Parts: sequence; C-alpha cells; structure tokens
Amino acid sequence: EAEVAQSPRYKITEKSQAVAFWCDPISGHATLYWYRQILGQGPELLVQFQDESVVDDSQLPKDRFSAERLKGVDSTLKIQPAELGDSAMYLCASSFLGDTQYFGPGTRLTVL
Amino acid sequence: AQKVTQAQTEISVVEKEDVTLDCVYETRDTTYYLFWYKQPPSGELVFLIRRNSFDEQNEISGRYSWNFQKSTSSFNFTITASQVVDSAVYFCALSEEWNTGKLIFGQGTTLQVKP
Repeated sequence: EAEVAQSPRYKITEKSQAVAFWCDPISGHATLYWYRQILGQGPELLVQFQDESVVDDSQLPKDRFSAERLKGVDSTLKIQPAELGDSAMYLCASSFLGDTQYFGPGTRLTVL
Repeated sequence: AQKVTQAQTEISVVEKEDVTLDCVYETRDTTYYLFWYKQPPSGELVFLIRRNSFDEQNEISGRYSWNFQKSTSSFNFTITASQVVDSAVYFCALSEEWNTGKLIFGQGTTLQVKP
C-alpha cells in the first residue's frame, strides 16, 4: 500500500538552530501539503504545492519558514531560526488532483 | 468564513458501548467536502471517510457510521460496539474548494475506550 514518507520522525533542537523536514508523497500525487499541529489542536495548513508551484502559503511564517518542492516530487520544510513556539507536529499530506489527502507519520519537533 | 466545531473535547466509554462524535461546520459555499480522520497515539492521521455536499446519504462501514444533515450543518460519526483499539483522537474536517483542497480541521475529540 502506497504511503507518504516523512523524516525524521522526531527532532529535538535548541532555539535559534536550523531544522529541516523531508516528505515524499504517494507516487503520482501532484498536490502536497504541509500542516502544523500544536498539541491539543487540529492541524493547520502551512503551505500547499501543486507540482512544484506554491498554491497557498498564506499561513507560512515566511520570516523563518521556507518550503520547496523543486522537482515536483519530494519536499523540504525548513525553519531557521527555530523558536520555542515552533514545537509541534509537522504533518505532510498528498492527494491526487485535490482529492482525499493522505497523511504521513509526521515529524514531532521539540525546541529547547 | 469556514469553521469546524467539535464540542466534545473528551469522551470516555466502556468497551462495547456505542458512541457518537459530533461535528458542526460553517461554510458559505454550496460545494464542499467533509472528512473524518483518526489520529492514534502514533500521530499519523488516518483517513476514514469523505462526503460531498450533494450526497446526504448516511454511510455505514462495519462498526462505523456517519450521519450527514445539511439542515443542521452536522456530520456526526458513530462507533457501534466500541473497542479498545478505537481509542484515539478523531478529527472532523471541511474542504471548500475542489481545486485547492485545503482542509479546515476541528479541535478534535479524544475518545477513550476502557476494557
């Protein structure tokens, strides 16, 4: 069964350091999403790609967050510098032409 | 503006009891999609169901059933004969635009099923 892959699963970093998360969507899924889930809350969209183009990054804190999907397949989300408030679960999802989104296992980030 | 409300923060039941998770949504669009996802302790969101705004038929899948009522803007989820493995956080979500698919999630309901 095809799955969305994410790495690392867990990341502990100190504030002001740079961190990066990787996501590999289900093969053939042109749409890729990054969500952030703060403990006790529902996920919120950070950025959405259609192939290599950004469709929606209105909620991405662009002063410290960046995302890319250079070849329209896998994607990287970066935070630099990390802040204490960035501690959360970062979830990647993919879909075929905007259909149902399937999620990866997530990366749990802890900023000390 | 779009919004999803899951008023039940936590529910605790004993195994084999039936349980209903409530979901109320707000949208101005006539075309939208509603979803339920399950999040076990491992953290991954598992897709359960997708329903479009033009299909109000209730759906049953094994012990799971969903009741969609446009008149009350609700999309409730019932687990029949609950099991310990059903313990998880359940999220209801709304998607308004087919071509972007952005999901608006509720706050989630934590279900604990005790043996």
